[in-house]
Amino acid sequence: GNSVTQMEGPVTLSEEAFLTINCTYTATGYPSLFWYVQYPGEGLQLLLKATKADDKGSNKGFEATYRKETTSFHLEKGSVQVSDSAVYFCALSRIQGAQKLVFGQGTRLTINP
Amino acid sequence: DAGVIQSPRHEVTEMGQEVTLRCKPISGHDYLFWYRQTMMRGLELLIYFNNNVPIDDSGMPEDRFSAKMPNASFSTLKIQPSEPRDSAVYFCASCPDSTNTGELFFGEGSRLTVL
Repeated sequence: GNSVTQMEGPVTLSEEAFLTINCTYTATGYPSLFWYVQYPGEGLQLLLKATKADDKGSNKGFEATYRKETTSFHLEKGSVQVSDSAVYFCALSRIQGAQKLVFGQGTRLTINP
Repeated sequence: DAGVIQSPRHEVTEMGQEVTLRCKPISGHDYLFWYRQTMMRGLELLIYFNNNVPIDDSGMPEDRFSAKMPNASFSTLKIQPSEPRDSAVYFCASCPDSTNTGELFFGEGSRLTVL
């Protein structure tokens, strides 16, 4: 079946540090891949996405590249800010769309000033 | 524009009581989803609707849980009777149909505590 595995958290970094949150997936066919972010007290919101191999999704300084050969979609940011503190979820969906989004467990990120 | 609206934001109840969670999706969105978030299990899809019709309820944990969508602007998730293990944050989400690209729009969640 389809599944997503994220690096376990929590992750604590200092401001301006480089961030990587690993995500690998198992899926049949060619899924679309997503990163969602959940700020404290809020619901999840889409951060970025990629719909086919070698696509790079980017938003708010975050990037992730769809790597089919390694079945990965790692999230990166070159210089994190305190405001990036949140829980990050990697997710995949079958080609049909969001009806069956499968989420990873989430990685809690804390950025210290 | 108003986003997905959920109520109540917080609910504390005693074991055995009935709990009703409410959701108003974004206007024009044809899909509505109910998710449950816990530390142990992460984010789980409970059920989703398309045009007010339940499509997949395989994630509903047991008969104590039921969900309805009487019209396009309202859905409920009911737990009767509630148990302590039902304590979680319950999220409602919606998305459009024709432009569905995998992006869900989530509400702020209803935090349920069953004592």
